[in-house]
Amino acid sequence: FMLTQPLSVSESPGKTVIISCAGGGGNLATTFVHWYRQRPGRAPTAVIFDYNRRPSGVPDRFSGSIDSSSNSASLTIFGLKTEDEADYFCQSYDSVKHHWVFGGGTRLTVL
Amino acid sequence: EVQLAESGGGSVQPGRSLRLSCAASGFAFDDYAMHWVRQSPGKGLEWVAGISWNSVKIVYADSVKGRFTISRDNAKNSLYMEMTSLRPEDTALYYCTKDNIAVPGTGTWFDWGQGTLVTVSS
Repeated sequence: FMLTQPLSVSESPGKTVIISCAGGGGNLATTFVHWYRQRPGRAPTAVIFDYNRRPSGVPDRFSGSIDSSSNSASLTIFGLKTEDEADYFCQSYDSVKHHWVFGGGTRLTVL
Repeated sequence: EVQLAESGGGSVQPGRSLRLSCAASGFAFDDYAMHWVRQSPGKGLEWVAGISWNSVKIVYADSVKGRFTISRDNAKNSLYMEMTSLRPEDTALYYCTKDNIAVPGTGTWFDWGQGTLVTVSS
C-alpha cells in the first residue's frame, strides 16, 4: 500500500493550490486520509484529519477531499500566504498489514 | 495542550542499543494509543511502532520488527522504545506521537513531539 504525492508545487500568494495523494494497493474511501504540514526545522502538525475535518486552530483556508473513483485524496489551500510554505504529507492506514503509511511529501513554494 | 517531550537519542555504533523515552502531558495519557514515527535526514516520514492505551495491541513496521520494542507506563505518563541491533539505516529523527483513538486502527492520526535524533554510525 503506497501513497504517492507530487514532489513539489508552487503558486503565488492569494491563489489556490491543490496537493494530491494517490492511493496504490488500498481503498482510500475506507481508511481515512489525514494531512500534515511540516515547516523547516519543525515537527509536523495536522491540518486535516478524517478526509476533510480541521483540527482546532487550523483556518478554513485548508480543505480536504476524497475522490473514490480515482482512489485519491486532495488538500486544497485557498488564499495562499507565504507562511504556508512547507512540506505537506498525507497519511492513511494499510488495513491488510495494520500499519500506517505516509506519502512522500510535497514541498509547497509560495512565490 | 498536548505536550510530548522525547529524550534518549544520541550517536551509537552499529549493533548497539538505545532506549528512547517520551514524557507526555496536557492530556489523559491512558486514554490514547501512542506511536513512534521517524524521519531520516532530508527524507519522508516512516511509522515505526504503535501501542494501544492498555498495551494489549502492539504493532511494528517490518523494518524494525524483532529489533525494537515499544512500551508504555500509564502511571508515569511515559512512552518508551527499546532499540537493539541498530543499523545505519535506523539513523533518523524519532518522533513520539499521540494517537487520537485508544486502539490504533483506521482512524489513527497523530499529534507530534519535537523529536530526538538517533545516529547510527561507526
